[in-house]
Formats: sequence, C-alpha cells, structure tokens
Amino acid sequence: GAVVSQHPSRVICKSGTSVKIECRSLDFQATTMFWYRQFPKKSLMLMATSNEGSKATYEQGVEKDKFLINHASLTLSTLTVTSAHPEDSSFYICSATRVLGAADRGEQYFGPGTRLTVT
Amino acid sequence: DAKTTQPPSMDCAEGRAANLPCNHSTISGNEYVYWYRQIHSQGPQYIIHGLKNNETNEMASLIITEDRKSSTLILPHATLRDTAVYYCIVLIQGAQKLVFGQGTRLTINP
Repeated sequence: GAVVSQHPSRVICKSGTSVKIECRSLDFQATTMFWYRQFPKKSLMLMATSNEGSKATYEQGVEKDKFLINHASLTLSTLTVTSAHPEDSSFYICSATRVLGAADRGEQYFGPGTRLTVT
Repeated sequence: DAKTTQPPSMDCAEGRAANLPCNHSTISGNEYVYWYRQIHSQGPQYIIHGLKNNETNEMASLIITEDRKSSTLILPHATLRDTAVYYCIVLIQGAQKLVFGQGTRLTINP
C-alpha cells in the first residue's frame, strides 16, 4: 500500500509556457503533500508543503506565483510551473503523508518524479 | 531538525553487508533517525527509522549508539539493486518537513 503516482513522468515544453504536474495518492488519503525539486547530482530541495483545502506553505526563496500548488482533494495535488524558463528544468518529486496511526510509521511516500525540460 | 553527517560515497561487494554510518551529534531526545534511499531517477524510498533501540525490518537493520549521537544502517546482503543514494534524516516523528542532506552514494560492485 501507500502508492503515490505522478503524471507526466517527463515533459518537454517551450520557454514561456506553463506546465502542470499531478501527484496522486492511489490507496490512501494524504493529509499533507510535499513538492521537491532536484537538480542533477544534487539532493532534494523542499519547495512547498500543501494541505488539502488550504494554501500551500512555500519554502524561502521559492516563488509562489511561479510555482502554483493546488491541493483540491485528499488524493490529488498539482504543481503548475508558470512561464517556464530553461532554468526551471529539473526533476520534480512529490510526497505524501497520512494520518499517523498505529499502523503508520510516520514516513513520507514519494512519487516517481517528473522530469521537466524547458527548451 | 538536527544536522546529520554522512560520507559522500561508499563501495561494497555484492553479497556482503553494507554498513552506512551517520553522525547526528546534536540530536534531541524526541527526534527519530530516519533512513531513505533514492535509486537513480526515482523518488526516495523509506527504509527504516528508530528512536533509541536497534530496529530491523525486511530491508535493513538500524543500529543506534547508546548516546544516540550516531547510527549505522546495515544492508545485510547487498545486491546490485541496492546501489543508490542513502539519506539519514533526523526529525520528530510526524514532523512535516524532511530536510535532505547530500547522503551517501552507495555502489554495490559485482
């Protein structure tokens, strides 16, 4: 159990266009979802934390107007990269947590990632 | 969250035990040690976590020193598929944010 999917797995777009990435928890309800980005040979950097039905909390240095996050339901969060530029090319990864219960270990469940290339 | 220190890279022969160290000398009493790994071009995967007792599951064992200032992740019989970057993270259980350091790039050699 605890599977997280992302769509698309990879996308190429032209500079100036917007790209939407979906993150879904397939077999559980996610109380919180997280968005990370990762540059080649670098570690994951947290971009924002989102809770269903409320505004996302962005990390310092992440432009909220450029990286729009919508968490409309307990199983879906979307990240929209607006007016994408080549420097936005990166590996975007989402994760999700569920309510901490007796069977939960407190870990985050990660999606497989989306590779964005902006030309 | 407490900071962790890991060696940047390690090699291990296939079939041998891989022992990955992590220092977390500033860990607080209510902070757990979590281990994740990331295989190339995939999302990270939870491995194991512990507070002060040693832990074992189907993937690995976690040995935490008595003073809790360091820990070791043990993959008892490493396979080529265990080649990945391993991250040691310290945080309060249920805390929201995972802060990833640089991790240890483990290469399993045939």
